[in-house]
Amino acid sequence: NAGVTQTPKFRILKIGQSMTLQCAQDMNHNYMYWYRQDPGMGLKLIYYSVGAGITDKGEVPNGYNVSRSTTEDFPLRLELAAPSQTSVYFCASRGRQNTFEKLFFGSGTQLSVL
Amino acid sequence: AQSVTQLGSHVSVSEGALVLLRCNYSSSVPPYLFWYVQYPNQGLQLLLKYTTGATLVKGINGFEAEFKKSETSFHLTKPSAHMSDAAEYFCAVRVNNAGNMLTFGGGTRLMVKP
Repeated sequence: NAGVTQTPKFRILKIGQSMTLQCAQDMNHNYMYWYRQDPGMGLKLIYYSVGAGITDKGEVPNGYNVSRSTTEDFPLRLELAAPSQTSVYFCASRGRQNTFEKLFFGSGTQLSVL
Repeated sequence: AQSVTQLGSHVSVSEGALVLLRCNYSSSVPPYLFWYVQYPNQGLQLLLKYTTGATLVKGINGFEAEFKKSETSFHLTKPSAHMSDAAEYFCAVRVNNAGNMLTFGGGTRLMVKP
């Protein structure tokens, strides 16, 4: 059981470039989340999804887009990378019956925008 | 809207000493409260949670936390620190009407000295 898999683990982008952070889970979880983690700021929710075809904005959605075409995958898209998007990004998932007691996190993607 | 404040971004204790990590929340409705731990280069793992019922909750690795409504606090404690406890700790809150969102504090990095 792989859990939540994020790729890539590290990436350096130039300002204005675009990229997609991949997230996949094999637990048939309905709920998936993207967080960014900045030093001293905790985790901020970017987008989340309650099921295939359904997404919603979190606290800090500007500059990002998501899609949820399948239950397993929840990619995060950066269209025009900016230095302010330098951060560590975490994907997480949980099942329908669990509140946040079983929130599974991926190992993170460290992104630098230079 | 709910929020979480963790006092002290860094806490240093000696091995065997008491660990106390502070968390205060604001919420207009009864909250669900969580503590997560993040070891280097890993995602977050749930330490313990409070939903309803007993206000003193016990988690993994000897940690416990007490929900104090009058003080709007949910401090994390461990009687005797171990070197393996060195990590970053996050307090988080969810309220019933927040649907699928979990709000995190800024995190506290615990350092354990030999």
